[in-house]
Amino acid sequence: SQQGEEDPQALSIQEGENATMNCSYKTSINNLQWYRQNSGRGLVHLILIRSNEREKHSGRLRVTLDTSKKSSSLLITASRAADTASYFCATAPFSGGYNKLIFGAGTRLAVHP
Amino acid sequence: GAGVSQSPSNKVTEKGKDVELRCDPISGHTALYWYRQSLGQGLEFLIYFQGNSAPDKSGLPSDRFSAERTGGSVSTLTIQRTQQEDSAVYLCASSPGGTRSYNEQFFGPGTRLTVL
Repeated sequence: SQQGEEDPQALSIQEGENATMNCSYKTSINNLQWYRQNSGRGLVHLILIRSNEREKHSGRLRVTLDTSKKSSSLLITASRAADTASYFCATAPFSGGYNKLIFGAGTRLAVHP
Repeated sequence: GAGVSQSPSNKVTEKGKDVELRCDPISGHTALYWYRQSLGQGLEFLIYFQGNSAPDKSGLPSDRFSAERTGGSVSTLTIQRTQQEDSAVYLCASSPGGTRSYNEQFFGPGTRLTVL
């Protein structure tokens, strides 16, 4: 069963605009991760944020985590056409030292030139 | 270095046949995971290996599904008597692992299984 709920399900923007995706989850977590998927195949890891962290940056990506609200957001700044993909949040519950990832349904992002 | 590789990339089989899906993790990664992505269910965890043992098989959908890992490296996911609902993309991921470590996972390109 899926733990994460993501919104929006789909997002369409112009190049140069910012894209924000949100993720909510249900149970306590060790960490939360964001992944990108192109063309329905392999997942590319973007960022991992641990439960004791509130914000993390990587290049044009900014992730926030609010454990009190059980929610996270991914911000992509100055988007490019190459950012077009599906984005998934995945939570890792405390499970004895390994990441049994539970994925959300994903947000389909389309960036138009 | 090389990433996670999976073979075959596509597999079409007839209902009732057995299939084997292979995963080669990143060298040195002790943790290996299998996931399944299907239209109706999204991305689902199937099984976790630490070395050659599988302490968590809770995601395997039925006893038709089994997996093994040998030499702490290659893993094979076997589906016996395939059914149409087994059609999905099967993704493998590896991680540096070790107990008490929660690390990012590196995914392979997946095997798209179609059961006719």
